[in-house]
Amino acid sequence: DAGVTQSPTHLIKTRGQQVTLRCSPKSGHDTVSWYQQALGQGPQFIFQYYEEEERQRGNFPDRFSGHQFPNYSSELNVNALLLGDSALYLCASSSGTDYSGYTFGSGTRLTVV
Amino acid sequence: AQTVTQSQPEMSVQEAETVTLSCTYDTSESDYYLFWYKQPPSRQMILVIRQEAYKQQNATENRFSVNFQKAAKSFSLKISDSQLGDAAMYFCASRTSYDKVIFGPGTSLSVIP
Repeated sequence: DAGVTQSPTHLIKTRGQQVTLRCSPKSGHDTVSWYQQALGQGPQFIFQYYEEEERQRGNFPDRFSGHQFPNYSSELNVNALLLGDSALYLCASSSGTDYSGYTFGSGTRLTVV
Repeated sequence: AQTVTQSQPEMSVQEAETVTLSCTYDTSESDYYLFWYKQPPSRQMILVIRQEAYKQQNATENRFSVNFQKAAKSFSLKISDSQLGDAAMYFCASRTSYDKVIFGPGTSLSVIP
């Protein structure tokens, strides 16, 4: 049973650079949500994609953008990286007809130096 | 705005004993879901248990059960017969409309052998 796959696992970037994180949802899921989790804190909602469109957005600046492809996979892009963007980025997938909760990937650990 | 609060940053329990983690939430919606997620050091967020708000019966999953008090907007998690593998961060979460899930700040649970 293929769960949620995220790549890369770890990433180190320099302040001001741009980064792209990738997520493949669980088979049968059509909705992808992205979360930012700072060390020792709960995940913060960034945005959600459904039918290749951003359906909801959290309180994050426009530097954070995303995309969903026809196969439901998704990308998270962050421009002009700041030191404060260092965090674990979690991707979660779900189905509009299944309310059993999200299935999460193992996350991408982004370090901005 | 939907919020989830966990007032216990850290908890500990003796192996084989019972522990209860607290959670309160606030929502203006009448139909919603509540969850407890577990995040071990491996970072993988794992769904422990879920509760539909329209169901008065408390959910149970093996050693895990909840005490859902809808009027008080309280949703606590009870872990019975605690095991070493239960040591992790535990997050309470609430699902809004459009499948958006909001997380609390988490409770770090230690299990003492």
